[in-house]
Amino acid sequence: QLQLLESGPGQVKPSETLSLTCTVSGDSIRRSTYYWGWVRQPPGKGLEWIGSIFYSGSAYYNPSLKSRVSLSVDTSKSQFSLRLSSVTAADTAVYYCARHAWLWYLDLWGRGNLVVVSS
Amino acid sequence: QSALTQPPSASGSPGQSVTISCTGSISDVGGYNYVSWYQQHPGKAPKLIISEVSKRPSGVPDRFSGSKSGNTASLTVSGLQADDEADYYCSSYAGNNDFVFGRGTKLTVL
Repeated sequence: QLQLLESGPGQVKPSETLSLTCTVSGDSIRRSTYYWGWVRQPPGKGLEWIGSIFYSGSAYYNPSLKSRVSLSVDTSKSQFSLRLSSVTAADTAVYYCARHAWLWYLDLWGRGNLVVVSS
Repeated sequence: QSALTQPPSASGSPGQSVTISCTGSISDVGGYNYVSWYQQHPGKAPKLIISEVSKRPSGVPDRFSGSKSGNTASLTVSGLQADDEADYYCSSYAGNNDFVFGRGTKLTVL
């Protein structure tokens, strides 16, 4: 059964870069019908799509975050990663990784990783 | 890219039906049959309950149904149960490899 697990620091200082990794187990990250995405949720607020990446490395981003976001994939480790630069308190959120079918819907989700931006 | 519009809250008594709307534009909801719905209980990850407007993933009860008319999609929960109390989010493919969520609706079972 496919599982996704986020990992990374729980706290990042303002102006620094947030980095998270998602490990995929139970299925291949090379499936042709799936992208691998990141979604975040600030405390008490709604969901926001950050971006999604194909196993080949093609990535698409939320236009509002595009200037600060970079996604990458390591198929040998069945992992994909998120980097968000120049963070502020507004980037404090639970960050989820998820499988993104054709960019149409997110059908499997990780448990989430709370990241707090604070000095 | 603007978030899709959902009512902040909805409610119903056990056994009743409730419908949650999700309004976008021709650029997202109205332009594609790729609306999906997610259920999120407090402290948990979202769970896909409807994909492609009206398709239910395996294991999702048929009490959950989806539809779309023009730029507005709807999620109907029939035979309300206590465990249906959760936040519900819609989302849509928005063209040009873009994807957008709704602002979320808190469903209360009275």
